[in-house]
Amino acid sequence: GESVGLHLPTLSVQEGDNSIINCAYSNSASDYFIWYKQESGKGPQFIIDIRSNMDKRQGQRVTVLLNKTVKHLSLQIAATQPGDSAVYFCAVSLGGGSQGNLIFGKGTKLSVKP
Amino acid sequence: NAGVMQNPRHLVRRRGQEARLRCSPVKGHSHVYWYRQLPEEGLKFMVYLQKENIIDESGMPKERFSAEFPKEGPSILRIQQVVRGDSAAYFCASSQQGGSNQPQHFGDGTRLSIL
Repeated sequence: GESVGLHLPTLSVQEGDNSIINCAYSNSASDYFIWYKQESGKGPQFIIDIRSNMDKRQGQRVTVLLNKTVKHLSLQIAATQPGDSAVYFCAVSLGGGSQGNLIFGKGTKLSVKP
Repeated sequence: NAGVMQNPRHLVRRRGQEARLRCSPVKGHSHVYWYRQLPEEGLKFMVYLQKENIIDESGMPKERFSAEFPKEGPSILRIQQVVRGDSAAYFCASSQQGGSNQPQHFGDGTRLSIL
């Protein structure tokens, strides 16, 4: 099986600072990883994904780093803005076309102070 | 260019009643996934369906819960004889290609409350 844990349930940052949210997973066979953002009352919103054949991927203001050696995943948000305040989940997949399940961590609540 | 649409957004049922939750995937997506979320928790996978087929139901309770994704129309998650412990947010996701190594895009969920 697979289990996913977040290092910190809450994170508070100053507007304009960079944010780093961490995630650990247990199964070395996991091959696909996604970060989602969830605002209150809404569904998870896809931010960025990475496959196990990569160790870094960049999007707009976001970077995902994957360290397969220690089974660790992080999301970096540059120049954090108030609109980034939300709960962030990492989700991990064991892969395989016949399997549907993403395994979600419990989430880190990011608060941005103006 | 609508995303995943779920309805109703809120559903209140009394114990013993049936709850029906609907999900229309992103246009062109034929793979649908259902997840359940308790307060302060991450999402827990329930079932993965492709048109007219259940592909993976490993997260679905064995009793009272069923899901379908017919050839025409939305996917339905059905909970019979609801109990208080069924109170949760239920999210549907869809993907263009199948399997958990594809991006899944979520709707805004149905919040089910059991009185």
